[in-house]
Amino acid sequence: DAKTTQPNSMESNEEEPVHLPCNHSTISGTDYIHWYRQLPSQGPEYVIHGLTSNVNNRMASLAIAEDRKSSTLILHRATLRDAAVYYCILRDQQGVKTSYDKVIFGPGTSLSVIP
Amino acid sequence: DAGVTQSPTHLIKTRGQQVTLRCSPKSGHDTVSWYQQALGQGPQFIFQYYEEEERQRGNFPDRFSGHQFPNYSSELNVNALLLGDSALYLCASSPDSLNTGELFFGEGSRLTVL
Repeated sequence: DAKTTQPNSMESNEEEPVHLPCNHSTISGTDYIHWYRQLPSQGPEYVIHGLTSNVNNRMASLAIAEDRKSSTLILHRATLRDAAVYYCILRDQQGVKTSYDKVIFGPGTSLSVIP
Repeated sequence: DAGVTQSPTHLIKTRGQQVTLRCSPKSGHDTVSWYQQALGQGPQFIFQYYEEEERQRGNFPDRFSGHQFPNYSSELNVNALLLGDSALYLCASSPDSLNTGELFFGEGSRLTVL
């Protein structure tokens, strides 16, 4: 039931930028785009999220296409610690109390970082 | 400030038994969601609790039930365990059910059903 599609796996060399793509062609106007990552033997951790504009934080950047049907998570300099499964998910918030927040995860992209 | 804590971290049960998993949300968070993660797959949404009520539910049978306490902590109960219930069970908390920001996840409870 995931509303996003991502490549199953990607590789990157250490200290090089990584661009992780995500397609969400059926995104609605109230869907926020979230990225989480899951390191081995840990729960997922939040990376970044956005609605329409590109976003930056200390961990990564999020580039959102103008039509919002795709987005790219950018890790500016991959480190060995960035090896994880990265999940792109949509969160629907319609701003009313009974609005649900049924977060749907897909299989994600497994990122390998080569020393 | 403690994050989301879950217990137990690992447990082994046999088919037909019942299990209770516990979650304490991050301080200040009143919404708790539970997920099941099978090996090699993404987390699957089980249900969400807010104000001690089940707010939303995923595609899981009634064998999966939960509870939220006045202090916002939560329990996940699974009855009549099946081999297929073996998974990592994750708890996530957020400040409120309308939050559009980050979910905070615990490290999970690894359940093995023999």
